[in-house]
Amino acid sequence: SYVLTQPPSVSVAPGQTATLTCGGNDIESKHVHWYHQKPGQAPVLVIYDDNGRPSGIPERFYGSNSGNTATLTISRVEAGDEADYFCQVWDSSSDHWVFGGGTKLTVL
Amino acid sequence: EVQLLESGGGLVQPGGSLRLSCAASGFSLRDYAMAWVRQAPGKGLEWVSAISGSGNTPYYGDSVKGRFVVSRDNSKNTLHLQLNSLRTEDTAIYFCARTASSSWYFSSWGQGTQVTVSS
Repeated sequence: SYVLTQPPSVSVAPGQTATLTCGGNDIESKHVHWYHQKPGQAPVLVIYDDNGRPSGIPERFYGSNSGNTATLTISRVEAGDEADYFCQVWDSSSDHWVFGGGTKLTVL
Repeated sequence: EVQLLESGGGLVQPGGSLRLSCAASGFSLRDYAMAWVRQAPGKGLEWVSAISGSGNTPYYGDSVKGRFVVSRDNSKNTLHLQLNSLRTEDTAIYFCARTASSSWYFSSWGQGTQVTVSS
């Protein structure tokens, strides 16, 4: 089955840029979606179809996808961005939705 | 406004069964594929099951296939998940989620219902 790999943690100072990666075999051939989740809350979609932004998500959130790595870039990081971030794809070969293991973003 | 409200969670012994429900409002269930996603304590998200908008096509994750059954009652705008032969590793918060109409992501989520499998 298809596997998505995310680093367990990323730390960044306020105002700096956070780069969160999601690795998968030929992931550029798939649409990648990103969610953030704060403690005790449901996940929230922040990027869909590689680089689409749902309404209400700031332009500071940017997605890209190339080769074997998809990337979520958060510029001018704020304390409120601290959360767990999960990438997700649809694997058509197995008809499965697949999540990455998640990255905990810490704002120093 | 889209709202999803899960119910039916609880404490059950290994080998037991539970039926989860997800009441949808603000949209018609028949127009969207729906899914269940779970999160074990301190762990990440795991897709569990999904069902097509028509209700004709169910999908299951490998860890639950043969034990869980997804269904929908479009007349009541409600999604269900029957959990059978429960194991301790099924302990998790179970979220109901709506897929997008044009792609395979989850555009809306419920707040979840806790399932605890323990003797």
